[in-house]
Amino acid sequence: EAEVAQSPRYKITEKSQAVAFWCDPISGHATLYWYRQILGQGPELLVQFQDESVVDDSQLPKDRFSAERLKGVDSTLKIQPAELGDSAMYLCASGLAGADEQFFGPGTRLTVL
Amino acid sequence: GEDVEQSLFLSVREGDSSVINCTYTDSSSTYLYWYKQEPGAGLQLLTYIFSNMDMKQDQRLTVLLNKKDKHLSLRIADTQTGDSAIYFCAETYLSGGYNKLIFGAGTRLAVHP
Repeated sequence: EAEVAQSPRYKITEKSQAVAFWCDPISGHATLYWYRQILGQGPELLVQFQDESVVDDSQLPKDRFSAERLKGVDSTLKIQPAELGDSAMYLCASGLAGADEQFFGPGTRLTVL
Repeated sequence: GEDVEQSLFLSVREGDSSVINCTYTDSSSTYLYWYKQEPGAGLQLLTYIFSNMDMKQDQRLTVLLNKKDKHLSLRIADTQTGDSAIYFCAETYLSGGYNKLIFGAGTRLAVHP
């Protein structure tokens, strides 16, 4: 069964360092989402791609976060510099163009010390 | 703006039925979803209901939708210890021409012998 892949699964970093997360969506899924899930809360959308284009990054803290999906397939989310408040689970999801249903990867648990 | 609310915690005895409740705000939501998250893992789609339906049954899961009250519930029959997890309700909304999901904070289900 096709799945969304994410790496790394866990990342521990010190504040002010740079971190990057990678996501490989299900083959054929044009839409890709990055979510942040703070402990005890539901996921919140950071950025949404349609193919290689960003269609929504209104909740992305652009002073320190960046996301790209250069060839419209896999995607990278970067934080530079990391802050203590960035500690969270970062979830990637993908879906077919125009469809509501989203399929989630296992997430990357980030701890900033 | 759009909002999804859930009770935060539910404890049931193994073999009993569990009912997890959710209220939402966007009456134009096309689909409403229930996701399950086990510790340290991503979100797994459990079931969904189309907005023109009142009820959907899928094995041990029953979803009830009251559009007038904007109330959604998930009933798990014969609850097992493996059902212990966090359950997220999510509604879809249209923003910028694209469908998005907004999640509740999640209900932690604890199943005890």
